[in-house]
Amino acid sequence: DGGITQSPKYLFRKEGQNVTLSCEQNLNHDAMYWYRQDPGQGLRLIYYSQIVNDFQKGDIAEGYSVSREKKESFPLTVTSAQKNPTAFYLCASSLRRSTIYEQYFGPGTRLTVT
Amino acid sequence: AQSVTQLDSQVPVFEEAPVELRCNYSSSVSVYLFWYVQYPNQGLQLLLKYLSGSTLVESINGFEAEFNKSQTSFHLRKPSVHISDTAEYFCAVGGTGGGNKLTFGTGTQLKVEL
Repeated sequence: DGGITQSPKYLFRKEGQNVTLSCEQNLNHDAMYWYRQDPGQGLRLIYYSQIVNDFQKGDIAEGYSVSREKKESFPLTVTSAQKNPTAFYLCASSLRRSTIYEQYFGPGTRLTVT
Repeated sequence: AQSVTQLDSQVPVFEEAPVELRCNYSSSVSVYLFWYVQYPNQGLQLLLKYLSGSTLVESINGFEAEFNKSQTSFHLRKPSVHISDTAEYFCAVGGTGGGNKLTFGTGTQLKVEL
């Protein structure tokens, strides 16, 4: 079955530690995205990538980093510089980079930092 | 720049009653509009989309939305809701020149009661 996988489902970390969230897709999509979801705030774009080895900052990139070494993978690192990292993180992908296509979402990772 | 407003954060409704979830957008370019549904602790699933053509679009589970350019709206409607429709609903807008990015509203929690 094609789709997007995110692991793990739940992640717990101590304050001051970096943590990497995994996102893999087998849909052969060009573009991938990372969103952060907080109650009452909808989805906010962190980073996105339209092709391998290239990515752009979204609206709330501070304290996060990404890489796109393979078409299928787009890991997100939450660094210790992110002031309020506890949130639900969603990865998405879409088919084309030059046309508006719908985004497909993974199941999400809930990160709790204490 | 584009934006989405979902005025209602929560909408309670009795089972078998009709419902309308409101979405208004702002964009300076041609728009593409989407409704997504999210069940607790899951990713977002595409419900329906407007890309071009007929302004009335339908989903397979009875929801419909109408693109109204003059009122810059894309309200979601269902004539008779079921308990299983209880979820959070997000409206999203994308526009040409936006790099395939979507802007999401803050979501509307639909609660269907017996």
